[in-house]
Order: sequence, then structure tokens, then C-alpha cells
Amino acid sequence: AQKVTQAQTEISVVEKEDVTLDCVYETRDTTYYLFWYKQPPSGELVFLIRRNSFDEQNEISGRYSWNFQKSTSSFNFTITASQVVDSAVYFCALSELATDKLIFGTGTRLQVFP
Amino acid sequence: NAGVTQTPKFRVLKTGQSMTLLCAQDMNHEYMYWYRQDPGMGLRLIHYSVGEGTTAKGEVPDGYNVSRLKKQNFLLGLESAAPSQTSVYFCASSYSNPGGNQPQHFGDGTRLSIL
Repeated sequence: AQKVTQAQTEISVVEKEDVTLDCVYETRDTTYYLFWYKQPPSGELVFLIRRNSFDEQNEISGRYSWNFQKSTSSFNFTITASQVVDSAVYFCALSELATDKLIFGTGTRLQVFP
Repeated sequence: NAGVTQTPKFRVLKTGQSMTLLCAQDMNHEYMYWYRQDPGMGLRLIHYSVGEGTTAKGEVPDGYNVSRLKKQNFLLGLESAAPSQTSVYFCASSYSNPGGNQPQHFGDGTRLSIL
């Protein structure tokens, strides 16, 4: 069965600190996709990144980076030099190739204080 | 540049009342989804549709019905609202299934309170 675990319910940091959000997943499939979404205080869900199970290269986009490790079934998200605008709830999600469904973790609320 | 539009944005109902939430997308997406978001629970799939005229149950379908009569619209109905259905509801759409490497695009959500 599919499962996504985000063990960190809430994280608080001070601006300019680096922060890592953890995501651990379970799947029996060899082909699957992992996603991160951001939900700012305004409530909408914003797609951040998609990664397939055959691509273990880390990805960097500005201050955001993602570390995908199949050996530990983890897809962690790091924000470098955090800013107040990064304050949001971040969701990790998993989809197997054969299904029509996206399974979300319970989310991590990140608060960045000035 | 509308994307996914949900109507209404807020609603308060009394127990036992019925209502329909409307989701419209202008991206010609085949797949559409309804989720509910509750504190500490993440997003849970209620129902989804893989194309016009089709619907399927998700993780928490009880108490809800859906219809996809037109490709661009996906309706979520509550026949007899219950306080346990107080939640924020999100609609999403995608070109193909998530396993097809296509991300889901979300609406802004509908905040529903059942008294």
C-alpha cells in the first residue's frame, strides 16, 4: 500500500536559517512519482516539484533543493536562507504509475520568523 | 488564465441541508479530483473522474456524490450535510493520471461549515 509520512508537524526557524523538511514514503511499485506542494496562508496549493523513481539526481531551484534517496525511501526538501515568505504548509505526495491517485502526507507547517 | 475555479468560496449550512460544489477547469484536462483537507490529516481524496461521464470513489467517499457531465466541470454534492463534513474542499485537475508525470492543478478551495 502507498503511504507518505511527514513526521515533522511544525518547524519554526529564524529568517536566513536553512531548514529541511522530511518526507518518507512506502510503495511496492518500482515506478512511481513524488511531488511537493506548498500551501501558503492564503490557502491555495502550489505545485513545486515532481520526481520519478528512476531519477535520483538531486535538484536545485534557487533557494530550494530536493534530495531523493531510494535506499531510504526519502524525498527531503531543503530551503536555504529561509525567508518569511517561505512560511507555509508543505505537502509531500506519492503516486504509483498504475494508479489514478495522489497520496498526500499530513504536511509540515513551516514558520519563518523575522 | 483561470485554471481551476471553485464555486462557492465559503458556505455555511445547517445539518441536513444539501448543496453542490462546482469545479470548473479550462485546461482541457481529462482527470478531475475532489479532496477534503482537515487539520492534521493532509488532503484526502473523496471522488475522482478519469474522463467525461466517469466517476470513481476515493479514500473517503461516504456522504458525497459526484457528477462529470461535461469534461470541464466536476460537481460534488452533499445530500444531507453533517457536522463531520465541515472542512476545506479542494478540486484539482490533471492532463493525465499522476502516474503519467503530470502534476495536479488545484483550485483555491471552498471552506464549508456545517452547523
